[in-house]
Amino acid sequence: QVRLKESGPRLVQPSQTLSVTCTVSGFSVTSYHVSWVRQPPGKGLEWVGAIWKGGSTDYNSALKSRLSISRDTSKNQVFLKMNSLQTDDTGTYYCAKHSRSGYYFDYWGQGVMVTVSS
Amino acid sequence: EIVLTQSPTTIAASPGEKVTITCRASSSVSYMYWYQQKSGASPKLWIYDTSKLASGVPNRFSGSGSGTSYSLTINTMETEDAATYYCQQWSSTPPWTFGGGTKLELK
Repeated sequence: QVRLKESGPRLVQPSQTLSVTCTVSGFSVTSYHVSWVRQPPGKGLEWVGAIWKGGSTDYNSALKSRLSISRDTSKNQVFLKMNSLQTDDTGTYYCAKHSRSGYYFDYWGQGVMVTVSS
Repeated sequence: EIVLTQSPTTIAASPGEKVTITCRASSSVSYMYWYQQKSGASPKLWIYDTSKLASGVPNRFSGSGSGTSYSLTINTMETEDAATYYCQQWSSTPPWTFGGGTKLELK
């Protein structure tokens, strides 16, 4: 049974760094790509970045300078780090498993709602 | 980057009514994908490879299209179909992009 679960702080101060962990089960992060997708309150979905099954990464060009995605294959976890947070980074952060083709997202985590505020 | 534009932004439908949501891409794409998101929940894969229904999706839903124009259709609206629907594309290199969403409400 495929599951993804995000964990991380609910409140981050402006200019600080966000760290979110995605713990997966039912598949291996070395067999499928995993992406991060975020959603500001009341707004649409935005792809943040991905870690490919081989370990390489790709990032949204608008966020690239502030982002880092990594993984721990022994724990089947994927990590998102975003620095210099601003209030418009507030939103729900989801991790999502890619399909075998990699073209779309077939399973999503429940998401973690992050508020950037002092 | 390929931009996806969904229309309408919001639509209200009565039970039994036919509903069509459109997604237009700024450049040609090979496939379109659709997700359903209900309030407070994470998105769920709904339609993949343009016209294939994800597991558990009722067959009153269908997807079609090619090139730059795609659509999701509900043959007969049911109360449980009220949700926001997003289209998504992949064009062989990142980024994966989403449409802005269509909120489907019950009339």
